Amino acid sequence: EVQLVESGGGLVQPGRSLRLSCTASGFTFGDYAMSWVRQAPGKGLEWVSFIRSKPYGETAEYAASVRGRFTISRDDSKSIAYLQMNSLKTEDTAVYYCSRDVKIYGDYKYYYYMDVWGKGTTVTVSS
Amino acid sequence: DIQMTQSPSTLSASVGDRVTITCRASQSVSSWLAWYQQKPGKAPKLLIYKASSLEGGVPSRFSGSGSGTEFTLTISSLQADDFATYYCQQYYSYSRTFGQGTKVEIK
Repeated sequence: EVQLVESGGGLVQPGRSLRLSCTASGFTFGDYAMSWVRQAPGKGLEWVSFIRSKPYGETAEYAASVRGRFTISRDDSKSIAYLQMNSLKTEDTAVYYCSRDVKIYGDYKYYYYMDVWGKGTTVTVSS
Repeated sequence: DIQMTQSPSTLSASVGDRVTITCRASQSVSSWLAWYQQKPGKAPKLLIYKASSLEGGVPSRFSGSGSGTEFTLTISSLQADDFATYYCQQYYSYSRTFGQGTKVEIK
């Protein structure tokens, strides 16, 4: 069974750091790109970050709201994706979901959509 | 960033109704659009990808259509399990964006 389990959430003060982990099982982790998506309390979904698989350079993309503060990475030997969050702000308070990205080719490039999601981990930024 | 706008924001319907949700993009996203269902306290679930392709295991009463800037999600006969919030999401751009969501409520 394909499964993603997030961990590392908690209560943190503004300006501090936190690292989230997403542990995958049931599929060949290294074959897939991975993403993080967040949902603030009572709000909609916001894509946060994305990392391609090793054959595609493990390059990353970020939402403007987190660029320069958050860093996504992966350890294929452990089947884990990480989200390092620095300089946290109160507006980063949310449930953070990790997801697996499926790659499909079209229009001369690859496109990625999220097919499997974890249950999420809650991050609360408050003094 | 590409803006995604869903309508309506809330929809009241009864079991057995045909339900249609619209999603509009601020610029063309070709067919690179997905639909997700989310229930309270749960993770989103993929329903449709590439605008009209049904994800495995998703009931056939769900269907998607459209291309370019206008898309629809249709539930042909609403079931009790379908009361949830639905989101469209474009993945034409690496900076992926979601619509604000459509909550389907019991009438």
